[in-house]
Amino acid sequence: KAGVTQTPRYLIKTRGQQVTLSCSPISGHRSVSWYQQTPGQGLQFLFEYFSETQRNKGNFPGRFSGRQFSNSRSEMNVSTLELGDSALYLCASRPFQFDQETQYFGPGTRLLVL
Amino acid sequence: QKEVEQNSGPLSVPEGAIASLNCTYSDRGSQSFFWYRQYSGKSPELIMSIYSNGDKEDGRFTAQLNKASQYVSLLIRDSQPSDSATYLCAVRGYGSARQLTFGSGTQLTVLP
Repeated sequence: KAGVTQTPRYLIKTRGQQVTLSCSPISGHRSVSWYQQTPGQGLQFLFEYFSETQRNKGNFPGRFSGRQFSNSRSEMNVSTLELGDSALYLCASRPFQFDQETQYFGPGTRLLVL
Repeated sequence: QKEVEQNSGPLSVPEGAIASLNCTYSDRGSQSFFWYRQYSGKSPELIMSIYSNGDKEDGRFTAQLNKASQYVSLLIRDSQPSDSATYLCAVRGYGSARQLTFGSGTQLTVLP
């Protein structure tokens, strides 16, 4: 099975711009979660989508949003970029079917905001 | 109190030694526990999952879970320089709808 894929892998933006990141889950996985990872804050949960609905949400401002499509692919959008948004953005997928199930990560998108 | 706490590290062990990584969690209803390894600049990869009290072994890795003490650990036997990475503990509460909560990670260095 192919793993979780994320595009693009690297991105450079300037303050005030917006950005959209894409994630394709493992085939058969219906849940997609997004995380932000920075050296100072570690791995922080942004949100989780299942069946095109946001199921869980972390403590991030409204500039961070996401959506999921009927094929389980997901996009994350950050509007009005700030320097502090520079980070590794990770997507992870899981079946969302069983109590005991594992979440698998994609390679990440590294975003640099200048 | 953070939901998932790991020993702060960094942790250094000599090659061939046992590395012990610890994690405590605050949600007594937590049911699923995971250890991920993350190399610098890479994404986390799953090493072990454990759901029941006791030990679970996979090669050189042993995960230990004690739900009464709300404690989960990872032992790495015969540590190798290639084990040098950050190890992340992750916990999920009861039910598949609950999100995964990560600790801040412990950086391990295995010295040749």
